[in-house]
Amino acid sequence: AQSVTQLGSHVSVSEGALVLLRCNYSSSVPPYLFWYVQYPNQGLQLLLKYTSAATLVKGINGFEAEFKKSETSFHLTKPSAHMSDAAEYFCAVSAGGADGLTFGKGTHLIIQP
Amino acid sequence: EAGVTQFPSHSVIEKGQTVTLRCDPISGHDNLYWYRRVMGKEIKFLLHFVKESKQDESGMPNNRFLAERTGGTYSTLKVQPAELEDSGVYFCASSQVGSTSGRVSYEQYFGPGTRLTVT
Repeated sequence: AQSVTQLGSHVSVSEGALVLLRCNYSSSVPPYLFWYVQYPNQGLQLLLKYTSAATLVKGINGFEAEFKKSETSFHLTKPSAHMSDAAEYFCAVSAGGADGLTFGKGTHLIIQP
Repeated sequence: EAGVTQFPSHSVIEKGQTVTLRCDPISGHDNLYWYRRVMGKEIKFLLHFVKESKQDESGMPNNRFLAERTGGTYSTLKVQPAELEDSGVYFCASSQVGSTSGRVSYEQYFGPGTRLTVT
């Protein structure tokens, strides 16, 4: 069984500041890990995914995440926040490449001007 | 290329009524998934089709929910009879056929969701 914990339902950062969204997972098998973003009135869009290659994964819109097995973490970062990054972000895990996803509760990212 | 589409975008029904949600996956995607997000909670997996077969329906909450995927194309999710706790946003996603070897993950493309309100 898998589970995901996202720390902080809301995270507020200033425009231009570092974005850090935390995700810890639990999995009984080597996990597949994902970050999705949802903009208002839209579906979820994949930001990046980890399968088993490089532990530092680069995604779209300047986001990246690092898989740390020892810490069971997959935190999402972006060096400089932009107003357009305001959205809800979801971390997810699965046991197989085509399996259903187990999501965290989501984190609203708020960008202060 | 058209994305995953869902119909209707919103539905308001009374407790005890029946509602059918429809999902049209991306053309050529054999995997189709249903998820639900109840307000204030996480997005939860409901079930997974591979073509017309149910691969995993472990997330279906109870027998008031019936999912079908006739001909392996579009899918419907029927709730009968609807209860208050069924309110939420129902998402559909689709992906290509998964590989049976190696660690290959196929991106799930999500639709915009159907917001269901049961009063």
